[in-house]
Amino acid sequence: EVQLLESGGGLVQPGGSLRLSCAASGFVFGNSAMTWVRQAPGKGLEWVSTITASGRDTYYADSVKGRFNISRDNSKGTLFLQMSSLRAEDTATYYCAKERGASGRYCFDRWGQGTLVTVSS
Amino acid sequence: EIVLTQSPGTLSLSPGERATLSCRASQSVTNNYLAWYQHKPGQAPRLLIFDTSTRPTGIPDRFSGSGSGTDFTLTLSRLEPEDFAVYYCQQYGSSPRTFGQGTKVEIK
Repeated sequence: EVQLLESGGGLVQPGGSLRLSCAASGFVFGNSAMTWVRQAPGKGLEWVSTITASGRDTYYADSVKGRFNISRDNSKGTLFLQMSSLRAEDTATYYCAKERGASGRYCFDRWGQGTLVTVSS
Repeated sequence: EIVLTQSPGTLSLSPGERATLSCRASQSVTNNYLAWYQHKPGQAPRLLIFDTSTRPTGIPDRFSGSGSGTDFTLTLSRLEPEDFAVYYCQQYGSSPRTFGQGTKVEIK
C-alpha cells in the first residue's frame, strides 16, 4: 500500500525557516516525480513545487520561487521542502503528492494527509 | 496560466441523487489533461478521474468524467453517504498546473 507521511510542520515567525519531510513507502520512490501542494485555511488547493523522479529538474510556483527549495533522497524514499523567508500567506496545510509519472507534468495519484505550517508572530 | 472555474460552489443533495459538477477552463486544456479529486476534512485528497474520463483502479463506477477543450464535468450517478466532500478539478496540460476552487457536495 502506498503511504506518504509528512512531518516538520509547526509555528514559525515571519522571516523564519522550516523544513518539511515526506516519508514514502509502498512504491518505487525513484520512479515517480513528487510534488508539494498546499491549502491555506478556508481556501482551495495550490500547487507549490515539483521535482522529477531523478531529482534533476525542479519547478516552483511564482509565489515561492527563490524562497523554497524542493529536494529528494531516493535512497531513503524521502521528499523535502526547505522553506525560508516565510510569510503569513504561506500559512497552510502542506501535502506531499506522488505523480503518475516521472516527468513532473502529470496528475497526482496518491497524497499524504498533510502537515500544518503556521507563520505568525 | 489556465484558470479553472468550478460551479456550483455548493451542491445540496440527498443520498441516492445524481450530482453534476462543472469545471470550466479559461483556455483549452491541452490533450484534455484534466483530473478530479475528492477531499474530505482531515484526510488526504483522492484521485477520482484522470485524462478527463479515466478512473484509477478502485474508484467506483458511479464516478464518471466527461468533456473536452474548456468544459468538463464530473458526474456522481447516485450519491452514497461517503461521497459528501469537496471536489476539485485540476489541469495538467499546461504549466503551471492549476486547480479549480472546489465544489462542496453537502447533505441536503
